[in-house]
Order: sequence, then C-alpha cells, then structure tokens
Amino acid sequence: SQQGEEDPQALSIQEGENATMNCSYKTSINNLQWYRQNSGRGLVHLILIRSNEREKHSGRLRVTLDTSKKSSSLLITASRAADTASYFCATDLYYGGATNKLIFGTGTLLAVQP
Amino acid sequence: GAGVSQSPSNKVTEKGKDVELRCDPISGHTALYWYRQRLGQGLEFLIYFQGNSAPDKSGLPSDRFSAERTGESVSTLTIQRTQQEDSAVYLCASSYRTGGAGGNYEQYFGPGTRLTVT
Repeated sequence: SQQGEEDPQALSIQEGENATMNCSYKTSINNLQWYRQNSGRGLVHLILIRSNEREKHSGRLRVTLDTSKKSSSLLITASRAADTASYFCATDLYYGGATNKLIFGTGTLLAVQP
Repeated sequence: GAGVSQSPSNKVTEKGKDVELRCDPISGHTALYWYRQRLGQGLEFLIYFQGNSAPDKSGLPSDRFSAERTGESVSTLTIQRTQQEDSAVYLCASSYRTGGAGGNYEQYFGPGTRLTVT
C-alpha cells in the first residue's frame, strides 16, 4: 500500500482563498516532498522538508511537518485558478539510512474556481 | 538546460504486442526512476537505477515488464505481451543522486508516455 495518503481527495475553493492539503505516512522518513501534477502528465517538485524541520516556506506555499504524528500539510495562500492541479506528497523512507526511492501518496485534486 | 524527455508521448498498441518506452534523463543525474499512473490514481513505483548499482526492480508488476539503462543515460522500459490493464501513463524521473545525508533529492519528471492497449 502507499506510504502517503493525502486528505482530502478533492478540494474546490474560490480564487483568493487558502487551500490546505494533508498527508499522513506510516514509517520514519528522511524527508517529505510535495509535487504538483497538471493534466495527468509530469510532476513538478514544489518543496522538500527534512525530518528535522518543522516548517518551510516557498512563495505562497507553506509546508509543515509533524514527525510525532507522521503528518504534513501543504498550505497554498491566495490561491489562483492556475493552482488547479493534483498535489502529491512523497516520502523518503528511513531504514537506518536513506533508501533509494520516494513513495508517492494518492494525491489531492485541487480545483480553484475563478 | 534540457529536462527529462520521454518518447513516444502517446502509444496505442494491440493486446499481445510488445512496446518499448524511452527516457532521456537530465545530464549528470545518476538516479533514474520509472512510475506507472493509471487514470485518476497516484504514482506506482516500478523500477529504480542508481549509477552502476543493481537496479531496484521491486515495483515491477510481472515478468512481462523489464527495464534497462545504459550507464547514466538513456533508459528503456519494455512491456512484453501487453494487456489492457497495462494502459496507463508511464512516467520517468531522474534526480541528481539518491541517498546519503538528508535522504533523497527532488526528482525531475518527464512528460510521460500515455500507453493505450486495445
């Protein structure tokens, strides 16, 4: 089964509102990454947060990580219609060291209405 | 610089035929990944290459699937005797390297190959 699960599966908001997506995972990680996918094609990396970090910002994006709860959230502020996409979290599992792959969650489909 | 490229962008094939999908990673990226994404679903890890190490094939769904990589460059994913359930978008990604302190680096994705098996 997938390591990461996003919540909600789908989210519809109005332009200008904030969008919050959550990701839960099951095992210890080295880092957690968020990706965006438009139109079912290639993914674009948004932000990486390491296991020893609690919060990170990049433009209108804010990511938090709570390793005690094994969860992360992605906040997009002042959303735009162009933010409409699927958002995936990906975890880098820790097995006494780094593994060699990311495990992607099931994704949140965000629709921003103009 | 150039990103990850994949070819073909679309492939329609008849059930039972073999297909070969190609991925050109970003130059200098030692790690290369293949994923499968069925319609409306998340990414399913298939196989991973890192330099000259043995590939991690743990995600390949059956022995009809195989992949090769030439050094740290082009990779091909081959699906033999295609079935309708193989229909999906096949995504390739590369990263600068993997593992080490701090874990894996971000992955750069190609546009994918949409495979339709009729």
